[in-house]
Amino acid sequence: DAGVTQSPTHLIKTRGQQVTLRCSPKSGHDTVSWYQQALGQGPQFIFQYYEEEERQRGNFPDRFSGHQFPNYSSELNVNALLLGDSALYLCASSNRGRGTIYGYTFGSGTRLTVV
Amino acid sequence: GNSVTQMEGPVTLSEEAFLTINCTYTATGYPSLFWYVQYPGEGLQLLLKATKADDKGSNKGFEATYRKETTSFHLEKGSVQVSDSAVYFCAPSLNQGGKLIFGQGTELSVKP
Repeated sequence: DAGVTQSPTHLIKTRGQQVTLRCSPKSGHDTVSWYQQALGQGPQFIFQYYEEEERQRGNFPDRFSGHQFPNYSSELNVNALLLGDSALYLCASSNRGRGTIYGYTFGSGTRLTVV
Repeated sequence: GNSVTQMEGPVTLSEEAFLTINCTYTATGYPSLFWYVQYPGEGLQLLLKATKADDKGSNKGFEATYRKETTSFHLEKGSVQVSDSAVYFCAPSLNQGGKLIFGQGTELSVKP
């Protein structure tokens, strides 16, 4: 049973560019959340998608946007990259309404470096 | 606001020592509580969980008890191994939408 799959694993971008990160949730899961983890810090919640809509959003600017597809996979887009966007981006999947009971499954993340 | 406070690391122990990592939280409502572990260069793995007061979560020798009166969820293990070296995150999950609130994490280093 495949867990959460994220691609790419590593990425280097230049300031001002745009980036798209991808996530396939664990089989049977329908909800995808994205987190940003700066070096040496805990993950920070970006947003959550369910039924192809953004359901909840953390304290991140509009440069961060996302999408969920009918097969539950998701993309995270970041526009106008800043050096401070360099981080590990984690995707977590769950069943809607059951994440608080059964927990969330995380992918290995995408390491984004902005130069 | 909602927040988590963990004991600062790094915590360095010898193999077979007793481990305690303190965690207290501030959250509205009645959250579920989780401990996640992150090994070097990897994502987060669910270690254990508790969903209501006085529940004890356990896994791989680790335990934590949901203490509602003290809003705490301290992680313990009776005898640590070198392979337990990792960063540990305590995280409440709020009922409204279920997002996880992470603290800064506690790095554990176990020496042989």
